[in-house]
Amino acid sequence: KNEVEQSPQNLTAQEGEFITINCSYSVGISALHWLQQHPGGGIVSLFMLSSGKKKHGRLIATINIQEKHSSLHITASHPRDSAVYICAIPNNYGQNFVFGPGTRLSVLP
Amino acid sequence: DTGVSQDPRHKITKRGQNVTFRCDPISEHNRLYWYRQTLGQGPEFLTYFQNEAQLEKSRLLSDRFSAERPKGSFSTLEIQRTEQGDSAMYLCASSLDSRVRVGTDTQYFGPGTRLTVL
Repeated sequence: KNEVEQSPQNLTAQEGEFITINCSYSVGISALHWLQQHPGGGIVSLFMLSSGKKKHGRLIATINIQEKHSSLHITASHPRDSAVYICAIPNNYGQNFVFGPGTRLSVLP
Repeated sequence: DTGVSQDPRHKITKRGQNVTFRCDPISEHNRLYWYRQTLGQGPEFLTYFQNEAQLEKSRLLSDRFSAERPKGSFSTLEIQRTEQGDSAMYLCASSLDSRVRVGTDTQYFGPGTRLTVL
């Protein structure tokens, strides 16, 4: 059974702070996905990672396949970054996701 | 708008009624997924289609739930004899089969249908 854990569950930061959200999982995978869910439900795919690091604007995602761990970093955080951040991995058959519980981020002005 | 769309966005129904949701994926995507998300939790997989074939169903999908994708384009998810525990956000996503490595498809999510069963 795939298990995905995230920490912290909730995170409140001041605008401009550097933010780190962690994800760990228990099985070998080919790729890990980071998703962003805004209030109201819409989910947007941020990154798909197989190894190393990816950067998109102020967002940076890293993965260590051997340690089964990934991190999502947000530099110079802004209130519009407030959302739930979810990591997801392929299930045993690789055709759909197993999702982490999400990290709820609130960035205060 | 060429993204994934879902209809309706909100549905309120009484316990015991049947409800049907629709998902229109991105047009060239051959994979379509249904997920359910309850408050404060991450989404949970329900079922997925490759074209019109339903290839996998979660044990969460009881016999009151049925999903179809008759022409390999839009999909419907029906819940019969709704129960209060069915109240959740129902999310649809689509992807294009990458055939590179499993799990490397990027899924594009719709806005969801929020179901409230009274």
